[in-house]
Amino acid sequence: GEDVEQSLFLSVREGDSSVINCTYTDSSSTYLYWYKQEPGAGLQLLTYIFSNMDMKQDQRLTVLLNKKDKHLSLRIADTQTGDSAIYFCAESPPLYSNYQLIWGAGTKLIIKP
Amino acid sequence: DGGITQSPKYLFRKEGQNVTLSCEQNLNHDAMYWYRQDPGQGLRLIYYSQIVNDFQKGDIAEGYSVSREKKESFPLTVTSAQKNPTAFYLCASSIGPPGNEQFFGPGTRLTVL
Repeated sequence: GEDVEQSLFLSVREGDSSVINCTYTDSSSTYLYWYKQEPGAGLQLLTYIFSNMDMKQDQRLTVLLNKKDKHLSLRIADTQTGDSAIYFCAESPPLYSNYQLIWGAGTKLIIKP
Repeated sequence: DGGITQSPKYLFRKEGQNVTLSCEQNLNHDAMYWYRQDPGQGLRLIYYSQIVNDFQKGDIAEGYSVSREKKESFPLTVTSAQKNPTAFYLCASSIGPPGNEQFFGPGTRLTVL
């Protein structure tokens, strides 16, 4: 079956790098996404990676995809207090099969001063 | 500005009453979604609609109903049959496959008194 797994919490010091990990089971997924949710707000699309890519970089964010191990990670460089949020990983099922995304439970990023 | 609006931000309801949550988008997206989020948990899909006048049940549709009479609007009714309706409700929209990145509204927090 389809399932996306994430650790529930990650604690890092301000200024360090944060690495949030995600594993997925549907090897035919075409896109994988990272979303950010601040307290009491909706989800914001941070970045995504297409399944034929290994890495994508966007300013302080780096996404790594290991298709062999079905492992996705989000690295946030120079973590700041504004990065405190819940980060969700999601995968997109095979092309045209349906419109749903499969969601992880979210990782809460806690920033220590 | 294009986006998704949800109203109201906070909603209080007495037990036994039906309540309707509004969701409007001006992104010209075909697909729309309703999710439920409980404290410390991920997203659970209630209903989704791929096109006007069509919708499908998600994982937790019992006690909820929707309509999709216009492309821009996808209201959710929480009925008295929903046993535990207090939660944070999120609406989203997307263009559809192949990418299917979803864009979210700010959410409605429903509290049943």
